[in-house]
Order: sequence, then C-alpha cells, then structure tokens
Amino acid sequence: DTAVSQTPKYLVTQMGNDKSIKCEQNLGHDTMYWYKQDSKKFLKIMFSYNNKELIINETVPNRFSPKSPDKAHLNLHINSLELGDSAVYFCASSQDRGEVKTQYFGPGTRLLVL
Amino acid sequence: GQNIDQPTEMTATEGAIVQINCTYQTSGFNGLFWYQQHAGEAPTFLSYNVLDGLEEKGRFSSFLSRSKGYSYLLLKELQMKDSASYLCAVWDSNYQLIWGAGTKLIIKP
Repeated sequence: DTAVSQTPKYLVTQMGNDKSIKCEQNLGHDTMYWYKQDSKKFLKIMFSYNNKELIINETVPNRFSPKSPDKAHLNLHINSLELGDSAVYFCASSQDRGEVKTQYFGPGTRLLVL
Repeated sequence: GQNIDQPTEMTATEGAIVQINCTYQTSGFNGLFWYQQHAGEAPTFLSYNVLDGLEEKGRFSSFLSRSKGYSYLLLKELQMKDSASYLCAVWDSNYQLIWGAGTKLIIKP
C-alpha cells in the first residue's frame, strides 16, 4: 500500500564497506530520484532515472552508482564508504506526464558510517 | 549560481498565523513547490505555484511573484502538529529541482 518504499531504514556500517539501498515505487511513475540530506538539512539531488535512463547525474563521487532493474525500482550502491557519506538518503518518484511533476518521497535511509 | 533563501527558524503561537518567505535566484523558472518535513520523516508535498498570485488550500496558502523572485507560505490557525520544517524548491529551466535549506517552524502553546 506504501507509495515509495526504501530499505533499510537504518544502516550503520564501517568505513570502507560497500552497501546498497533499495527503493521501490508502486505509483506507476516514470522518473525516480536519489537525494542526500546532510546534517544542515539541505536536500541535494544525486541521480534521477527516466525509463531506465540516467538523466541527471550531479557531481557525486563515482563510488555512488544507481541501478534501475525496471521502472519501479532504483537502487543506490555505495562503494568504499567514507565518514562524510553519513546522511539521510531519500528516494523519490514523479510522473513525467502532466504539468505538475510533484515528487513523492520515500521514508529515507539513515546511513551512519563509523 | 542558483540560490534559494529561507529563514532558518521561526516561532509562532498555536492558533496564530505565520508567513514563511522564500526568495530565489535560478537559471529559469518552471514552478515553485512548498514541502513540509516533520523531524525524522520524508518531505511531503504542500503546494505548487507557477503563475503569480495566491493559491489557497485549507489552512495553507502559497503566494508567488515571479518578477520579484519571491514566494511565501501562509499558515493559518496554527496547530501543534504544524511544527516542522518547510522547504521551498524551484524548478529551473532544465526542470531540475533546486531546494532551499528549509525553515524550521516551532509552534508554542
């Protein structure tokens, strides 16, 4: 019944590890996004995918790689985790058709790198 | 560069009215969003403005002046549950959503 879901909700890991965060939307939307929200609460776009094509790729380290197996899923894989990666990561989705492309957010994944 | 400015924090009293301002400087404009984010939760959509003027939705209203690069969110009959951060976001000419840092609103009884 949940529109945009993410797993896990909390992730605590050691520096240098590789981890993945999963996102799924059941809204039938065309575009999915990954955001990073740091301690200062700025929401920064990391990636967006439209019909399995990457259409925005902000200047994030190449340790971060989005993977979209289908239109309803956009996973985020992070290699060699660093302390500065600690943040809340939000997945979002929007419909491309229509004038108002409102983004709907998942509950967030709280990543803590030790 | 692209910039969105909002006050960092505001305090208001339950039952009162509060106005949260947002000014923006972006490369192009395709609309402005207001989102609400409770502590520890995801942002949720409140309103969207693309034309000048006031959009009213229950206790919440949002105003836009494109010539001034200015918007405000007006919250009436404040309730304790309105304590949250309010995020202003602008679509630029490439339909990239540029986010402000948010305004933390504290409601006191």
